[in-house]
Amino acid sequence: TQLLEQSPQFLSIQEGENLTVYCNSSSVFSSLQWYRQEPGEGPVLLVTVVTGGEVKKLKRLTFQFGDARKDSSLHITAAQPGDTGLYLCAGTSGTYKYIFGTGTRLKVLA
Amino acid sequence: GAGVSQSPSNKVTEKGKDVELRCDPISGHTALYWYRQSLGQGLEFLIYFQGNSAPDKSGLPSDRFSAERTGGSVSTLTIQRTQQEDSAVYLCASSSVRGSYTFGSGTRLTVV
Repeated sequence: TQLLEQSPQFLSIQEGENLTVYCNSSSVFSSLQWYRQEPGEGPVLLVTVVTGGEVKKLKRLTFQFGDARKDSSLHITAAQPGDTGLYLCAGTSGTYKYIFGTGTRLKVLA
Repeated sequence: GAGVSQSPSNKVTEKGKDVELRCDPISGHTALYWYRQSLGQGLEFLIYFQGNSAPDKSGLPSDRFSAERTGGSVSTLTIQRTQQEDSAVYLCASSSVRGSYTFGSGTRLTVV
């Protein structure tokens, strides 16, 4: 059974701080995605990474896919209150189905 | 439509009653997925449709859960004889072939 563990589970930081969220598995994934979900809404896709070692940047967000394609990280620089939400990673082995991680709930205080 | 539409947005039902949750995917998206999310946790896969057929029903928790899709479009998830542990947010997503998921806003089901 494929599992994706995210850490930390909860994170509360001050505006302007940096943070990193981790997504780990013992399984190899052909691609991995990161989503952000706000209360009362469905998850919204932020990025898809497909190559081991790949790094993608989206404004203040940096995503990295591990060399072995078993793990990923999301780094946020100078966090803002608008970054508050539930961050979810999701991986697939190349089929239609994505397995979702346990989630990291981020709160950025003004 | 422009996005994935789910209805109702909230449903409160008595234990033992049946409920139907509806998902209207993005027009032209052949793939449709149902996931369940408990109390702000990660998403649990329930079922996948390609067109009107469901090649993967492996995530349905029990035989009280069923789903259908008609006309390659609208899908209905039915839960019979609801139990308190069925309380969760039920999320639907659709995608084109090998495309990314677009999620609806979900149906929050509360069984009392």
